[in-house]
Amino acid sequence: DTGVSQDPRHKITKRGQNVTFRCDPISEHNRLYWYRQTLGQGPEFLTYFQNEAQLEKSRLLSDRFSAERPKGSFSTLEIQRTEQGDSAMYLCASGRTDTQYFGPGTRLTVL
Amino acid sequence: QKEVEQNSGPLSVPEGAIASLNCTYSDRGSQSFFWYRQYSGKSPELIMSIYSNGDKEDGRFTAQLNKASQYVSLLIRDSQPSDSATYLCAVNSGTYKYIFGTGTRLKVLA
Repeated sequence: DTGVSQDPRHKITKRGQNVTFRCDPISEHNRLYWYRQTLGQGPEFLTYFQNEAQLEKSRLLSDRFSAERPKGSFSTLEIQRTEQGDSAMYLCASGRTDTQYFGPGTRLTVL
Repeated sequence: QKEVEQNSGPLSVPEGAIASLNCTYSDRGSQSFFWYRQYSGKSPELIMSIYSNGDKEDGRFTAQLNKASQYVSLLIRDSQPSDSATYLCAVNSGTYKYIFGTGTRLKVLA
């Protein structure tokens, strides 16, 4: 296992721009999760994929957020029309059971 | 109302002591419970999972679960300065959604 990887590690963008993050899970992990974490808080669940199917999405996730996992392997998270409140660490995790392995995260800063 | 509550700390313990970290949850239907460690600037890493009432030991770590009291704890024996981190409690209610607490910051003093 090479671990969960995320790209980019850091992203600075201007308010109103769209951003896309990528997550490559551990191979053969059928479960994939996206979380958002701000300073002093625990990870906040955003969405869950089992293989290519998006089975759960947080009600906190506005319509500006969308995620895909087209072939059941890597996943992308897109944020449209970014706002300053979107500044956070975006974490991806994968697993085969309910044990989750987190990637290093993508830190987003919206100016 | 927060669904998973932890004291934010910091909890300071001397090296070699037992650190006791606590977590309460609101959903009585919760089925699985996890403790993660997160070093500053890093992502969470799993320490232990626990599913049934009682104690579960793994090396210096012991997780304790009391579903009647909706309480889960983590004991760290022989605490080391390298254990200084934020400890996150996570709860799953049988869906695909995991709820994390805000974490307790632990400081082990050399």
